[in-house]
Amino acid sequence: SQQGEEDPQALSIQEGENATMNCSYKTSINNLQWYRQNSGRGLVHLILIRSNEREKHSGRLRVTLDTSKKSSSLLITASRAADTASYFCATDARGNTGKLIFGQGTTLQVKP
Amino acid sequence: DAGVIQSPRHEVTEMGQEVTLRCKPISGHNSLFWYRQTMMRGLELLIYFNNNVPIDDSGMPEDRFSAKMPNASFSTLKIQPSEPRDSAVYFCASSFQAHNYGYTFGSGTRLTVV
Repeated sequence: SQQGEEDPQALSIQEGENATMNCSYKTSINNLQWYRQNSGRGLVHLILIRSNEREKHSGRLRVTLDTSKKSSSLLITASRAADTASYFCATDARGNTGKLIFGQGTTLQVKP
Repeated sequence: DAGVIQSPRHEVTEMGQEVTLRCKPISGHNSLFWYRQTMMRGLELLIYFNNNVPIDDSGMPEDRFSAKMPNASFSTLKIQPSEPRDSAVYFCASSFQAHNYGYTFGSGTRLTVV
């Protein structure tokens, strides 16, 4: 069963705008991770946030985590056409030995 | 490092044939994961290994699927006999201390069973 549920399923924005994607999950976690997948390619790890962290930044990416609401968000600022991809959240559930369960993903299109 | 290497990139086979997918993880990574991706079901974890030992194979669909990791640098996923519903993209990923670091994914094998 899927642990993470992304919202929205699809998002279309103009270059330069910000993109926000949300992820909800069901059980307690050790950490939550975000990945990007370009069409026809493998997934690329973007950022990992631990259960005791609330916010994390990496370049134009900002991730927040609210464990009380079991939710996370990924913000991409000043988007570029090259950011067009699918974005997945993945949870490392507490009690598991490091396996990740992925959500269905958000498809982001950034128009030039 | 060349990353996680999967072969073949594409495989087209007839129903009933045996299919073997291969994966070479990143040197030094101690965990290896096999995922399957379809439009309908998304990314599903099939099996994962820690230090070459299978830890959780609860995602393997049925007895037609088997996976091995004979050493730290090689793993196979075998489907015998293959069926059209096995058509999907199969990804291998590896990680060092999976609790603390993200996965590195291979480019995947696109399997089509006709």
